[in-house]
Order: sequence, then C-alpha cells, then structure tokens
Amino acid sequence: AQTVTQSQPEMSVQEAETVTLSCTYDTSESDYYLFWYKQPPSRQMILVIRQEAYKQQNATENRFSVNFQKAAKSFSLKISDSQLGDAAMYFCAYRSALGGSQGNLIFGKGTKLSVKP
Amino acid sequence: ETGVTQTPRHLVMGMTNKKSLKCEQHLGHNAMYWYKQSAKKPLELMFVYNFKEQTENNSVPSRFSPECPNSSHLFLHLHTLQPEDSALYLCASHRLGQDFYGYTFGSGTRLTVV
Repeated sequence: AQTVTQSQPEMSVQEAETVTLSCTYDTSESDYYLFWYKQPPSRQMILVIRQEAYKQQNATENRFSVNFQKAAKSFSLKISDSQLGDAAMYFCAYRSALGGSQGNLIFGKGTKLSVKP
Repeated sequence: ETGVTQTPRHLVMGMTNKKSLKCEQHLGHNAMYWYKQSAKKPLELMFVYNFKEQTENNSVPSRFSPECPNSSHLFLHLHTLQPEDSALYLCASHRLGQDFYGYTFGSGTRLTVV
C-alpha cells in the first residue's frame, strides 16, 4: 500500500521569505498524481498545486512551486515571498492513476506552517 | 463558497444521541467521500460513493451509517458514538475520470462526543 510521509510537523517562516515543506511517498507504481492541499483555520481543504508523475517539469502556481524527484519519491513544496495568509496546515497527498479503490487520495499527517510578520 | 457545503459546522452530542451530518455539492461531481480528521493523524478515508453507490467502506464501525440518496447529497448518520469519535469530519467530491483535478472539500463538521 502507498504511504505519504511529511517529516516536519511544524515549520516557521518570516514574512516575505521562502520556505520548503518536505514530502516523501512510497509506491511501486509509475503513473500517479501528487497534490499539496492547504487547510487554514477555516478548515476547508484547498488544492494548492498538483503534479502528474509522468511529467518531468515541476509544477508552478504563482508563488508556489514543487520539486518533484520521481526516483527519490520526493515531492517538496516551495512557497516564495511568504504571506501571512499562507499560515495553515499543509497536506501532501498521493493518488494512483489506477481506478477503483486504488485511486483514492492518500494523505500525509500534515505540516503546520506559521508565518511571522 | 467552496462548492461543497457541510452542515452543521459544529455538533456536540451525547453517546446515546442520534444525529446526522449533511454534505451537498452542485458541481456536477459523481463521486463523494467521507473523511475523518483527528489530531496528529493522517486523514482517514471512511466511505466512498460512486454514482450514489457505495464502493468502499474502510472498516468503519457500524455506529457510522452513510447514505447517498443522489449524486449531490451525502449523509453520515451517527448513533451511540464514543468519545474517541470526536474529530473533524470532512466531505469531498470529485468527477470520476478527472483524476488530475483532485477532490473538492467542504469545511467539515467539528464533532464532539461527550
């Protein structure tokens, strides 16, 4: 079974600085999707960025970018120019490209990001 | 407005009570999910419904009873819960075949069992 590991329970960053959140996963599959979700105090899980495993180019969404290392099974999230509104729990998630129950999202335990003014 | 609406936002219930959580989406999605989120644990998938048919039950105790009357509505009926069932219950939806788009989540129901 696939697993997702986020080794940093908490991180802190100064406003306007850059921070990187780590995520590793374990799978024997070659085709899958990876996601980063943000959960602010409002509790709603918001999709931040996503990556298809067969694409070598790292995904970028404005200030958010990923470093996808398929061989190392690593999928880190970089937040540039951090803003106070970035403070939240961040969850890394894996999804198999196979259908059925194997296609369900699998989450890590999350990283709590604090942003200092 | 996220597109997935959950009610109530907060719920406190005794162990002998019966209550229901509601989830509604009008995004045209045809798969719906219940997740349990407890402190310091990964999100736990509880139930999966595809085209209003239950396709997965991850060994959830029978005191949790899901219901999906149509593709837009999902309920979680609760009875004789235990204090360890206190958690945030999240509903999510998805359009089958669009795997790259992930799930759309609601804001959850914070459940406290006393």
